[in-house]
Amino acid sequence: LAKTTQPISMDSYEGQEVNITCSHNNIATNDYITWYQQFPSQGPRFIIQGYKTKVTNEVASLFIPADRKSSTLSLPRVSLSDTAVYYCLVGDMDSGNTPLVFGKGTRLSVIA
Amino acid sequence: GAVVSQHPSRVICKSGTSVKIECRSLDFQATTMFWYRQFPKQSLMLMATSNEGSKATYEQGVEKDKFLINHASLTLSTLTVTSAHPEDSSFYICSARRGQGAHSPLHFGNGTRLTVT
Repeated sequence: LAKTTQPISMDSYEGQEVNITCSHNNIATNDYITWYQQFPSQGPRFIIQGYKTKVTNEVASLFIPADRKSSTLSLPRVSLSDTAVYYCLVGDMDSGNTPLVFGKGTRLSVIA
Repeated sequence: GAVVSQHPSRVICKSGTSVKIECRSLDFQATTMFWYRQFPKQSLMLMATSNEGSKATYEQGVEKDKFLINHASLTLSTLTVTSAHPEDSSFYICSARRGQGAHSPLHFGNGTRLTVT
């Protein structure tokens, strides 16, 4: 399972765009990149998933360079409610039996 | 809406007793579920993989006789913490993948806060 490295914490003001980068140098061919958000005392919530290039949904965008050794989660115009821990995970999504191994995550604090 | 339901959300028990936590997949069948544990200010740690109709696979360092996992149906996995001690106090979270393959993401329950007194 590919190991991921993220900044431990980030601060941002409300209304700003936040970019969280994750390194996964030993990502495998079958691995997808998935980002989760976790609020205190709740289970992680799926945000976005991608394999290469760019993926966008109603919540965020995910940018993946050609070598796939890193990825960047972009949150547009954050609000106080986006304060949470964000986890980048890499795993083989073609196998239903493969768990996801969590790294330390990035604690995002949004300030008014 | 939630696709994985976990119950109870919070439980307090006395040292030496056992506690059962249920994890249900809603509106889909999950042949595999995963159990995680999370201590305060730390990341989720994978404990075991629960397989329907067969024995669970435990991660290194997780005692299978202490954390009993039963996956008797395609929508229900249970984790029983036996002879609980205060050091077992933690946040337990289950997850399941909706859909086999097809790049399906893992969905997580809302967790169970276990406090052992």
